[in-house]
Formats: sequence, structure tokens, C-alpha cells
Amino acid sequence: DTGVSQDPRHKITKRGQNVTFRCDPISEHNRLYWYRQTLGQGPEFLTYFQNEAQLEKSRLLSDRFSAERPKGSFSTLEIQRTEQGDSAMYLCASSLGQAKGPRRNYGYTFGSGTRLTVV
Amino acid sequence: QQQVKQSPQSLIVQKGGISIINCAYENTAFDYFPWYQQFPGKGPALLIAIRPDVSEKKEGRFTISFNKSAKQFSLHIMDSQPGDSATYFCAASGATNKLIFGTGTLLAVQP
Repeated sequence: DTGVSQDPRHKITKRGQNVTFRCDPISEHNRLYWYRQTLGQGPEFLTYFQNEAQLEKSRLLSDRFSAERPKGSFSTLEIQRTEQGDSAMYLCASSLGQAKGPRRNYGYTFGSGTRLTVV
Repeated sequence: QQQVKQSPQSLIVQKGGISIINCAYENTAFDYFPWYQQFPGKGPALLIAIRPDVSEKKEGRFTISFNKSAKQFSLHIMDSQPGDSATYFCAASGATNKLIFGTGTLLAVQP
């Protein structure tokens, strides 16, 4: 396991269809994040998990978006009833994380992303 | 308060020169400041990071300078090479380890 894997790399879908993306984090990482990146912008936070618990969701994440991380391993991000505005790169990242303390933050390892195009 | 402001938007440097990218933040609760490098079609890759208990961190040709009182930090790339041409993002995080990213700087190093 040398990194974060995302599948598929590219997805083209028609407006109104549902899509699901998968992320396999680095096995020893307990935290998993989903970000969205549009052209020319920095990644925007969507949601994150510590083990299997989803601890925070961005207001960017409408009720059409849902994420799961069963058993604290891989994660899926589903978008229902896709809209053209959902077209973006969806990035998954993982990290180690402590609840508190001076070393509670660690660098993320990002996957290569899933490029979604809604037509 | 959650924003991280990054400048310049783009930068052209001659091979061997110094590339400097600046970031500023508002939230004093931030305590971790990484820089990421991203090539087209790839996810961002962690380059170097600093915590506010030090004012400078150097790894090879990459140096972060951190000014806690001004709430600013910068990335310096010494002896810039064409292979350094990429988009660079600063970021910051606090208690939740949720990274807030800057808008990115597109660096072009000319041979």
C-alpha cells in the first residue's frame, strides 16, 4: 500500500444520474477527507471521517451528497441527481490524527482524484 | 476568518532563481501550515510544513518562513528548476485538522 487510491479516475455522467466514487486510504491512517477542486482553485473541504465516524460536513455538501466509511477502511462519496455545477475533481486524502495535543495535525496524503464531468 | 489568502496568482522565474510565494491567514487558532505542490492531473503532494513554534523550516531547496505576529508565512524555492513548474498551495489547519487551502500560485520556471 503505497498511497491513496481513488476509483474511477474519470467519470462522465448525464445530468440527473447518480454517481459513486471510491477511496482507499493508506491503511494505517485513521482520518479520511473528501475535497472538491474546480479549475484554478484550491481544494475545498467537503467532509472528513475519523475511523468510521463522520465528524464534520461542509455546508457545500448539499443533501444530494453522502459519504460513508464502513468499518473505518475505504470510503465512498455518492452524488445523487447530479447537476452541471457538480463537475469538478473530487479528491480523497488520508492522514494520521490525534484528538488533541501539540502534534494533533499531520500532513495529508492525497489521491489522484476523480474527475467528474456532468453533461 | 477561515480564509487563507495567497499571492501571487502566477509567477515566472528563471532557472536558478528564487521563487517566493506568500500567504496570510486570519484565524489565530490555526497551528499547522503546510505547502502542497500539484502537477496537472494529479492530487496535491505535501512539500513542507511548519508549526508556529518555529520561525523557519528548511528542507533541501524549500524553506518556509513563518511570522506569527503578522499572521503570514511564505515558501521560498531556492535554485528553481524547470521541474519545479507546478501549482503551489498554502494551507492551514487547527483543532480539527481540516485544511483550508489558498487559491494557488502557478509557477513557471524558464530554462
